[in-house]
Amino acid sequence: QKEVEQNSGPLSVPEGAIASLNCTYSDRGSQSFFWYRQYSGKSPELIMSIYSNGDKEDGRFTAQLNKASQYVSLLIRDSQPSDSATYLCAVRPGGGADGLTFGKGTHLIIQP
Amino acid sequence: NAGVTQTPKFQVLKTGQSMTLQCAQDMNHNSMYWYRQDPGMGLRLIYYSASEGTTDKGEVPNGYNVSRLNKREFSLRLESAAPSQTSVYFCASSESGDEQYFGPGTRLTVT
Repeated sequence: QKEVEQNSGPLSVPEGAIASLNCTYSDRGSQSFFWYRQYSGKSPELIMSIYSNGDKEDGRFTAQLNKASQYVSLLIRDSQPSDSATYLCAVRPGGGADGLTFGKGTHLIIQP
Repeated sequence: NAGVTQTPKFQVLKTGQSMTLQCAQDMNHNSMYWYRQDPGMGLRLIYYSASEGTTDKGEVPNGYNVSRLNKREFSLRLESAAPSQTSVYFCASSESGDEQYFGPGTRLTVT
């Protein structure tokens, strides 16, 4: 069973600080990695995708990938109360399989 | 441009009843997916369609059938609903199988 693991939280971060969310995956053949944000009662919203080792920045968000360690992270700079949500890590398995494998999500709370 | 739309938004069924969840996308994407989301279980793939005319099982296909009606539409059918199928159902679409975009979801309760 290919797995994606996340700390369920809640992770509480003061407003204006950096929130760091982590994810590990078991399928070493995975090539595509994604972060989704999900507000309570809403659908997942894609916020970052990353395909190669290193960092990828988009506004206040930075995704980091380390395939050797099978580790993906998401940094949110200058955290705002509106960033309070559940963040889902998703991985596309290797071997040409379709569909994403999701972690159970980390609940992030930004304290004003 | 509505993206991915799903109907209905809410549904209550009795055990043994059948229903079809509808999904449509206007992004001209090739691939479409059905997931279910349960508390403590995360999102799990039920079925997917990599292109018009093809469908494949995901992680949890038992009790469901799907139809890729055309490139825009992908429906999920529950032939005989069971309480274990109480969940939130999300449809998603993707151009390449990577970045997937989700519809608003259907909240289904089976009593």
